[in-house]
Amino acid sequence: EAGVTQSPTHLIKTRGQQATLRCSPISGHTSVYWYQQALGLGLQFLLWYDEGEERNRGNFPPRFSGRQFPNYSSELNVNALELEDSALYLCASTRGQPHYEQYFGPGTRLTVT
Amino acid sequence: RKEVEQDPGPFNVPEGATVAFNCTYSNSASQSFFWYRQDCRKEPKLLMSVYSSGNEDGRFTAQLNRASQYISLLIRDSKLSDSATYLCVVNEMDSSYKLIFGSGTRLLVRP
Repeated sequence: EAGVTQSPTHLIKTRGQQATLRCSPISGHTSVYWYQQALGLGLQFLLWYDEGEERNRGNFPPRFSGRQFPNYSSELNVNALELEDSALYLCASTRGQPHYEQYFGPGTRLTVT
Repeated sequence: RKEVEQDPGPFNVPEGATVAFNCTYSNSASQSFFWYRQDCRKEPKLLMSVYSSGNEDGRFTAQLNRASQYISLLIRDSKLSDSATYLCVVNEMDSSYKLIFGSGTRLLVRP
């Protein structure tokens, strides 16, 4: 069974630009979660999508947004990039019930210069 | 107070040692609990879920104490490959439905 995939692996942008990160969940999983992990820090919850709808978001500004497509893949968009947005962005999928285990993709490392 | 607290370590132990990690959580409404391991600059990988009755998977044993809001992970017969950061994770089952990650406990197993 294929795991969660994310693209690109690395992304370098300059301040003020926009970044788009993509995630494909495990087959049969309908929920996608996005997390940010800045260097040396813990994972911070960003967004949760389930069945195409945004169900919850963490304490991040509105320039962090995303969507979920009918095939359950998801996209995270970060507008007006700031230096502190440099981090590893992780996507996780689960079967849809929040209490189920989440499985993570390898992440996209975003560097903002 | 942090929502999920862990001793950051590092725990530096010899091969074959037994090591225990503890974790406390602040939200008594939390319903699901997990241990993940994360290798340097890699994604977290699920190690095990933690059930009220406690559970064991080979050399790993997890315990949950709801009254004290405390979770533990015991690793027996440590291997070099166990060196990683261990993340205590709590799933809040209120309207937020999100995982809360502890900052992790780093384990170094030396030959």
